[in-house]
Amino acid sequence: DIQMTQSPSSLSAFVGDRVTITCRASQSIGSYLNWYQQKPGKAPKLLIYAASSLQSGVPSRFSGSGSGTDFTLTISSLQPEDFATYYCQQSYSTPMYTFGQGTKLEIK
Amino acid sequence: QVQLQESGPGLVKPSQTLSLTCTVSGDSISSGSYYWSWLRQPAGKALEWIGRIYTSGSTNYNPSLKSRVTISVDTSKNQFSLNLSSVTAADTAVYYCVGDEVRFNWFDPWGQGTLVTVSS
Repeated sequence: DIQMTQSPSSLSAFVGDRVTITCRASQSIGSYLNWYQQKPGKAPKLLIYAASSLQSGVPSRFSGSGSGTDFTLTISSLQPEDFATYYCQQSYSTPMYTFGQGTKLEIK
Repeated sequence: QVQLQESGPGLVKPSQTLSLTCTVSGDSISSGSYYWSWLRQPAGKALEWIGRIYTSGSTNYNPSLKSRVTISVDTSKNQFSLNLSSVTAADTAVYYCVGDEVRFNWFDPWGQGTLVTVSS
């Protein structure tokens, strides 16, 4: 299985900050990397697909980059509604999909 | 807009079979745009992919669960279902039904999730 490792596991930041979350794959996955946002008690929401494509309706302050084994999710200016847990997911070894362990973003 | 809704018992006894159904609305389950997947998430933990089915009935399962999982589809009701046998407390989780986009394999849309507790 392809292992996905996110860092950090948790992060505190202020509203307005620029934040970057990293996801590393245990082997090259090309651009087959998706990012999700999950708020407490809710289902995950797709933010970014194919490493850098913004899902329809997602604010442009979210962006994704990377290829191969190293990927980043960046929030350019944190808004109050962005405090949530973020997960990366590889879709390279379909259908054996795997997720990162999550990054919890909290208000400082 | 495609919407998914899980249904089924919230409490299952150890060694019994967990059974959930997902009802798809807003599109035909036979449209061919999605695989139909089940995922789960134990409290405070990461997401785990359980398996998926295509409109043809073709299935794929997570090898770690394969011996206990069956996913089926009922196109007449626009539903797909999950059966997980011989459950233990480790199967306690929120279970999601999800559309798995056929070209790029991202997960969207999602059902709201249903908590299944395994306890006697």
